[in-house]
Amino acid sequence: NAGVTQTPKFQVLKTGQSMTLQCAQDMNHEYMSWYRQDPGMGLRLIHYSVGAGITDQGEVPNGYNVSRSTTEDFPLRLLSAAPSQTSVYFCASSYSRDAPSADSPLHFGNGTRLTVT
Amino acid sequence: AQRVTQPEKLLSVFKGAPVELKCNYSYSGSPELFWYVQYSRQRLQLLLRHISRESIKGFTADLNKGETSFHLKKPFAQEEDSAMYYCALSGQPTSYDKVIFGPGTSLSVIP
Repeated sequence: NAGVTQTPKFQVLKTGQSMTLQCAQDMNHEYMSWYRQDPGMGLRLIHYSVGAGITDQGEVPNGYNVSRSTTEDFPLRLLSAAPSQTSVYFCASSYSRDAPSADSPLHFGNGTRLTVT
Repeated sequence: AQRVTQPEKLLSVFKGAPVELKCNYSYSGSPELFWYVQYSRQRLQLLLRHISRESIKGFTADLNKGETSFHLKKPFAQEEDSAMYYCALSGQPTSYDKVIFGPGTSLSVIP
């Protein structure tokens, strides 16, 4: 049972390049989400999904796309990277289809450190 | 609007001293509050949740609805407590947020 797995761990992109951050979970969790972590700003929600085929925007969705074709995978795509997207990205999942709760807290991946030059 | 504030970005205490990490929230309904912790080179993980009224690694947190606070406390800090701590709130979904995190407090325990 690997939990939430993110790849890659580190990535450097040039402005304008595109890439996909991978996230997979093996816990049969319905809810998956992507956060970015920036100093002094905590974790901000980018996109989330409450099940296969269902996605929705979070607080800071611009510049990012997601899809949820399976329960296990929730990739995050940067279509045209910008320096403002330099950040640490975390994928998280929880069992509950509804908002993560006390009975169904978030489980996090190890993060992807992205630098855009 | 839902909001979580953690007024201290950095907090340094000596080993053995009491520690309190502050968390305040604004929320119109009945929130669920959590503390998540990130140790160096480890993933974010749940430390404790208010509904369980539990003590994890010596830490406790009481939800004070009157003061809208959920401060994290430990009577005697240990070096291994040095980490980044995030207060988080979950409840009725807004237009986009399922779980809101505060900005985090970096705790440093001085030997």
